[in-house]
Amino acid sequence: DTGVSQDPRHKITKRGQNVTFRCDPISEHNRLYWYRQTLGQGPEFLTYFQNEAQLEKSRLLSDRFSAERPKGSFSTLEIQRTEQGDSAMYLCASSSEGAGGQFFGPGTRLTVL
Amino acid sequence: GQSLEQPSEVTAVEGAIVQINCTYQTSGFYGLSWYQQHDGGAPTFLSYNALDGLEETGRFSSFLSRSDSYGYLLLQELQMKDSASYFCAVRENGGYQKVTFGTGTKLQVIP
Repeated sequence: DTGVSQDPRHKITKRGQNVTFRCDPISEHNRLYWYRQTLGQGPEFLTYFQNEAQLEKSRLLSDRFSAERPKGSFSTLEIQRTEQGDSAMYLCASSSEGAGGQFFGPGTRLTVL
Repeated sequence: GQSLEQPSEVTAVEGAIVQINCTYQTSGFYGLSWYQQHDGGAPTFLSYNALDGLEETGRFSSFLSRSDSYGYLLLQELQMKDSASYFCAVRENGGYQKVTFGTGTKLQVIP
């Protein structure tokens, strides 16, 4: 098992463009999480999937953000009409049911110009 | 809602012991986790407490007191490579598994 992977690792885009990130969790993990982290802060919860069902979405998340996990395996996070305030590290994590901790991927660093 | 408090920075000497405290306020508590994050890296899971008491994993130990809404991470025999940020994170109870992270404690280990 190679752990959680994310693609791309870095993304630079212009304001107003759409971006999509991919996360491949550890294969036997049915839970998948997306977080956003800015410098000097802890990861901020965005959304959570159990298998293919999106069970919770942060109230802080605007309608420009959407996430999918169509077959209960990999997940995508899309940001539409990006804004400079979206610049951050986007982290994906996975865990198995009942586990105490989550395993994080390396993250996708988004820069919006 | 949830809020967690940790010291922002701690400095300790190589070989020593350091304790990083975390207090939390939450509407529903399920467990407390600790993560390590080196600059430019992703968070790495260290330990998890759902019940009161001490959990030991090698040089790292974590403690929880649910009645005091308090926990700590204890690092023994500090090494230079332990210089990193350490986050406590609260897992909510209920059917969801939302996790809220603190703002982190930056540990600097000095020779």
